[in-house]
Amino acid sequence: DAKTTQPPSMDCAEGRAANLPCNHSTISGNEYVYWYRQIHSQGPQYIIHGLKNNETNEMASLIITEDRKSSTLILPHATLRDTAVYYCIVRSISNSGYALNFGKGTSLLVTP
Amino acid sequence: DAGVIQSPRHEVTEMGQEVTLRCKPISGHDYLFWYRQTMMRGLELLIYFNNNVPIDDSGMPEDRFSAKMPNASFSTLKIQPSEPRDSAVYFCASSFRGTGNTIYFGEGSWLTVV
Repeated sequence: DAKTTQPPSMDCAEGRAANLPCNHSTISGNEYVYWYRQIHSQGPQYIIHGLKNNETNEMASLIITEDRKSSTLILPHATLRDTAVYYCIVRSISNSGYALNFGKGTSLLVTP
Repeated sequence: DAGVIQSPRHEVTEMGQEVTLRCKPISGHDYLFWYRQTMMRGLELLIYFNNNVPIDDSGMPEDRFSAKMPNASFSTLKIQPSEPRDSAVYFCASSFRGTGNTIYFGEGSWLTVV
């Protein structure tokens, strides 16, 4: 699976949009971009995933650049409960590469 | 719907004792994963199963660790004998290949070996 690079930490004011970047310059054509988050003391939680089109769900939006070498997770109106570590993972869905390999992620702090 | 259920949630044991962690995946899921999380090493994949068969156990640290999946609704991760460096949070997760392969995690088993 391709390696990802994320900033180690970010701050965001409550009510503002949180934009979390991820670099995955070695991504290959059959690899998806997944985002998970982990709130303190809980298991990782799925947020969103995409291949090349932008995606949106009730939690967030995922913007993938046209060359697919980077992406941005957008939390449109961050709340204090969004404080967590956010993991960007590039994952090949093939018979041999099915698991998620977590990096260090971005620690997002949402402040009042 | 019930999520991935793990037990025990917390365990404190003495060095040298056997530890068994249990996991019930989401019903209908055909993949099951065991992860370990520590401050030093982050989240590490230990082993995963497909249709109850181990597919990749390259992350299992050593022979003291073993994992089984006797049926589609139950898996165990056993450590024998346990050592203080095994202290960590152990997560079980499951997924179904037909639903975008989203992996769902349990709340973890917090293990302390003293």
